Amino acid sequence: QQQVKQSPQSLIVQKGGISIINCAYENTAFDYFPWYQQFPGKGPALLIAIRPDVSEKKEGRFTISFNKSAKQFSLHIMDSQPGDSATYFCAASSKAGANNLFFGTGTRLTVIP
Amino acid sequence: KAGVTQTPRYLIKTRGQQVTLSCSPISGHRSVSWYQQTPGQGLQFLFEYFSETQRNKGNFPGRFSGRQFSNSRSEMNVSTLELGDSALYLCASSSRGQSDTQYFGPGTRLTVL
Repeated sequence: QQQVKQSPQSLIVQKGGISIINCAYENTAFDYFPWYQQFPGKGPALLIAIRPDVSEKKEGRFTISFNKSAKQFSLHIMDSQPGDSATYFCAASSKAGANNLFFGTGTRLTVIP
Repeated sequence: KAGVTQTPRYLIKTRGQQVTLSCSPISGHRSVSWYQQTPGQGLQFLFEYFSETQRNKGNFPGRFSGRQFSNSRSEMNVSTLELGDSALYLCASSSRGQSDTQYFGPGTRLTVL
């Protein structure tokens, strides 16, 4: 059973556009929600993370929106660039689960010049 | 600080053999987690070690095992390899564990023939 559901599976965006990736979860014990970016042949790299006490977090062109009541969170990439083309994973973990990150299935983002 | 390092980067084994993968965490990090990444199952948590003790374990058979040394370096072992064990094995380290930021290494690509 997928603990974190991610959509879309793939996304094509024009340069300068906004990329939006959505995730949903069921386990209300989750208290940490990171987003990872992965390039081919590399390990995932932490992009941005949020905890449920805030509804939004912004770092540069990347913003996480978090809706605790709906158990959903999303990643917005503003002014998308060809260099952002990668696979993005949302994830979640709980204190009880220590460092057991449950990952979404990933979104392959392609930014067209 | 140097990042998480994993050795070897690539490995080819045959069914029935066993394999040992190594991970050196970021200096000062005491938690090491292991993940398996496959196209079909995505990123799945194997286990986590903190101060030489296994703190959490995912849903993998007993053929998958690990350990952590006093210097926080970790190894994972897979015995009696099966074709389905072909995957990218990722190691991640964090300073404290428990919903802490995890930093991933580049992974070890294991191919089982």
